Amino acid sequence: DTAVSQTPKYLVTQMGNDKSIKCEQNLGHDTMYWYKQDSKKFLKIMFSYNNKELIINETVPNRFSPKSPDKAHLNLHINSLELGDSAVYFCASSQDGYLTDTQYFGPGTRLTVL
Amino acid sequence: RKEVEQDPGPFNVPEGATVAFNCTYSNSASQSFFWYRQDCRKEPKLLMSVYSSGNEDGRFTAQLNRASQYISLLIRDSKLSDSATYLCVVNIPSNSGYALNFGKGTSLLVTP
Repeated sequence: DTAVSQTPKYLVTQMGNDKSIKCEQNLGHDTMYWYKQDSKKFLKIMFSYNNKELIINETVPNRFSPKSPDKAHLNLHINSLELGDSAVYFCASSQDGYLTDTQYFGPGTRLTVL
Repeated sequence: RKEVEQDPGPFNVPEGATVAFNCTYSNSASQSFFWYRQDCRKEPKLLMSVYSSGNEDGRFTAQLNRASQYISLLIRDSKLSDSATYLCVVNIPSNSGYALNFGKGTSLLVTP
């Protein structure tokens, strides 16, 4: 069974479009995260949710809007996609959100904006 | 200055070699430290947490020096399967609490 799953795995789209990436975890964790890994391989946190509530919101354009319908799901919606949004987006989860918790990552969504 | 800095490598070593990676972090308020491993085009996975007293897990040894704000990872008896990128990870205060900050990673290639 996949612990943290993301869909789609690959996403190719035109500038200006709106797209969503879905994430689900079946680990029973309370905290979920979105990370962006750019072409230079820097992995940077974007958002963190604990029990459906936003905990961390790093400096991310407001075109990015996370939504957590329940604690097992954290989706990422991106409006008006730009070339610079091309990256791999990783979802992750951890038990309680304590900073000593292990984070479990999904397989990533490779987004290409043309 | 970047929050977490690592030598990107690549480190090319023969099987059986011992290799060491270093990492420095800039924020003295950091409290938790980790090494993650990322294979090509895959997600990062926790390799080990790093404790002040140092810790060992099989062929892997991690050390933390808070005074110098320095973390290390030693891999003994390298295997071909150790080839990957090793990410140094530090929790750092952010505007919303603490957040994990990843270094860019050190690339290791173990050759036959």
